[in-house]
Amino acid sequence: DAKTTQPTSMDCAEGRAANLPCNHSTISGNEYVYWYRQIHSQGPQYIIHGLKNNETNEMASLIITEDRKSSTLILPHATLRDTAVYYCIVRVGYSTLTFGKGTMLLVSP
Amino acid sequence: GAVVSQHPSWVICKSGTSVKIECRSLDFQATTMFWYRQFPKQSLMLMATSNEGSKATYEQGVEKDKFLINHASLTLSTLTVTSAHPEDSSFYICSAVSLAGGYEQFFGPGTRLTVL
Repeated sequence: DAKTTQPTSMDCAEGRAANLPCNHSTISGNEYVYWYRQIHSQGPQYIIHGLKNNETNEMASLIITEDRKSSTLILPHATLRDTAVYYCIVRVGYSTLTFGKGTMLLVSP
Repeated sequence: GAVVSQHPSWVICKSGTSVKIECRSLDFQATTMFWYRQFPKQSLMLMATSNEGSKATYEQGVEKDKFLINHASLTLSTLTVTSAHPEDSSFYICSAVSLAGGYEQFFGPGTRLTVL
């Protein structure tokens, strides 16, 4: 699976949009981009995934660039409960999820 | 959505004892379950993959005789840490793949193991 690069940490004010970037320049055509998050001392939680098109669900939006070498996870109105480590994972089919270091998002009042 | 539970949520044991952690898929059948380990301020590291009715596949560097995995049914996998030592203290997380859910991985809440 292709490697991903994420910033170590980010800050966001409560109520504002949180935009979390991810670089995956070596992604292959059949690899999906997945986003999970892990709140402190809990198991990872699935957020969203996509292949080429932008995706949106009740939790977030995923914007994938046309060349698919990077993506952005958008939390439209961040709350304090969104404070967590966010993992961007590139995955072939249904291969095992491999976690990198992720981005620690801190949402402040 | 698919729910995965773990028991216990936390456990403290003495060095040299064995500890069993259970992972259950509550509302779906899981032919494959995964066990991860997470040390403080580090990411999740895959320990092993278990398929129902067959032996687990361990990642390089994980001792199969120390971390015994049993996947006896489509809803239950157990991880037994044998002769636990303080360096085994960690956060253990299981995940399960739901066939009905299109092979998505669902994660349990984790088990905090502290070995004194």
